[in-house]
This record gives sequence, structure tokens and C-alpha cells, in this order.
Amino acid sequence: GQQVQQSPASLVLQEGENAELQCNFSTSLNSMQWFYQRPGGSLVSLFYNPSGTKHSGRLTSTTVIKERRSSLHISSSQTTDSGTYLCALERYAQGLTFGLGTRVSVFP
Amino acid sequence: NSKVIQTPRYLVKGQGQKAKMRCIPEKGHPVVFWYQQNKNNEFKFLINFQNQEVLQQIDMTEKRFSAECPSNSPCSLEIQSSEAGDSALYLCASSLAGADTEVFFGKGTRLTVV
Repeated sequence: GQQVQQSPASLVLQEGENAELQCNFSTSLNSMQWFYQRPGGSLVSLFYNPSGTKHSGRLTSTTVIKERRSSLHISSSQTTDSGTYLCALERYAQGLTFGLGTRVSVFP
Repeated sequence: NSKVIQTPRYLVKGQGQKAKMRCIPEKGHPVVFWYQQNKNNEFKFLINFQNQEVLQQIDMTEKRFSAECPSNSPCSLEIQSSEAGDSALYLCASSLAGADTEVFFGKGTRLTVV
């Protein structure tokens, strides 16, 4: 089965609304990353987050390694937040294993 | 912002043709990864290098792809004989060596096999 499960699969927001994206892992991990993928395909690293909580602007990531889960919170969403949010787990020398992503659409 | 550079951004090849894409990792990053993302958003790890040496690769890559990371030259990934199922976004990434290191991606090469 899928080692990295993301939910929800898609999310529609009105500008200004908050959102919480979830990532659950079925296996142990060294660390994990959150990425934002633009509609054109390029991947941008949002958080490298082995454990705990990190903030970047309107984004907050919280990872609890022993519970094998991570969340990404978007506050006061904007239309420019539209895209796909991917989480990936990292295990040494095995590269990244990605989830299928959460597709976020923010409308004015 | 990532400094991983991939070329070309788009590639169109006929079935049976060779398809070659290149990647310049971020300066100082000895580890390079190649991933394939299909139209269903699924990522597949293809191969990774540390400096010029292959660390790991999947069976498909070993049989149908040619990849290298020569010193002082871009890394490359080449499909020897393109198939329709190879149409995908090919993403290159780089990182520092060792465990627990952040990975940075390029913008990808979108391959269409017609």
C-alpha cells in the first residue's frame, strides 16, 4: 500500500479561509519535506521538518515523528496558493517517497 | 530558491528515439536524484548518484536508461528508445550527503513521446 497518504485529495477554498492538509506515513522515517508544485510542474521546498513545528509566513508545518504524521496549515489563503501540496518522506540512501498530493484551489 | 537547473524544459520525441535531459545540481551538492512524475501525479524514483557514482537505481533505469554525473559537467538522463509510457515530467534534485538532508528540485523536463 501507499507508504505516504495525503488528505484530502483536493480542497476548494474561498480567499481568506484557512486550510489544514494532512500527511500520514505507514513506515518509519528519517525526515520529511513539504513541497508546493506549481501548475507548470516545478517543485518548491516549503519545509524540511524532521519534527516539531515550523512557520514560514502564512504556512505552518507540524510533524510528530513517533505518530508518523505531519500537517500543513495555510492561514488566510490567497489565490496564489492554488496548486498541489506534496509531502515526502526521506530514508537514507533511498530517496524521497511522495504522497499523491492535495490539490488546492483558492477562488476570490 | 532552488538553484538546480534542468534543460530542456520541454522535449518531444517519436517512439524509438533517444531522449536526453540534463541537470546541473546546486553548487556543493554531491548527491543527485532523478524522479519521474506521471500524469496521475505519482512519483517514481529512478536513480541517484553521489559525486560520479551510482548509489541506487531501479530495474527500469538499469535496462532502458543511461545516466551519468561526470565531474565538471552536467548530469544527464537518457532514454535509449522512447516509449509512449515514458511521457512524464522528469525531475532532478540535489542535496548534501548524509542522512536527514533537505532536497532541492529543478523545474523539470516534460517529455512527450508521440
